[in-house]
Amino acid sequence: EIVLTQSPATLSLSPGERATLSCRASQSVSSYLAWYQQKPGQAPRLLIYDASNRATGIPARFSGSGSGTDFTLTISSLEPEDFAVYYCQQRSNWRDTFGQGTKLEIK
Amino acid sequence: QVQLQESGPGLVKPSGTLSLTCAVSGGSISSSNWWSWVRQPPGKGLEWIGEIYHSGSTNYNPSLKSRVTISVDKSKNQFSLKLSSVTAADTAVYYCASKGTDSSWYVNWGQGTLVTVSS
Repeated sequence: EIVLTQSPATLSLSPGERATLSCRASQSVSSYLAWYQQKPGQAPRLLIYDASNRATGIPARFSGSGSGTDFTLTISSLEPEDFAVYYCQQRSNWRDTFGQGTKLEIK
Repeated sequence: QVQLQESGPGLVKPSGTLSLTCAVSGGSISSSNWWSWVRQPPGKGLEWIGEIYHSGSTNYNPSLKSRVTISVDKSKNQFSLKLSSVTAADTAVYYCASKGTDSSWYVNWGQGTLVTVSS
């Protein structure tokens, strides 16, 4: 089973700052990785798929990069509504796994 | 736009069976999508439970496989989850979700339903 490890667990930043979130896979997943945003009391929302493609309706301030085992989600300039929990997800061998999440909180 | 809605008991007794249904609207369950269940214990992260294709093909999380059954009812355009021998550790918000056509990524989610395992 491929394990996804996200870091940091919590990231404290201010609106307008740049956020960089990391997801590391225990073995290569090529570019088959997605990022989701989850706000309290809500279901997750797809942000990025295939490592670097923005999902429909996702603002351009969100970008994804990486391949193999190391991936990054970048939010170029934080808006108040971006403070949430972010998860990465991969699929291989007919199984899905999620990272443990990074909480992005207001500093 | 596909919409998903979970339904089922919010309270299940220990050693019992958790049963949930996900109604699909705005699309056909016979389309080329995987239909999935994901859960989230209170205050914790997301855990994939398993999935089903309209053909009936299934994949399950190995850690839950012995207790999980996912099925599809094409006549009602819905799919279901059964989790047997539940314990308090199975208390969670259960989401049904669907992936895009021929995709590995979850594009549609239900609102989630909290299931508590308690006597």
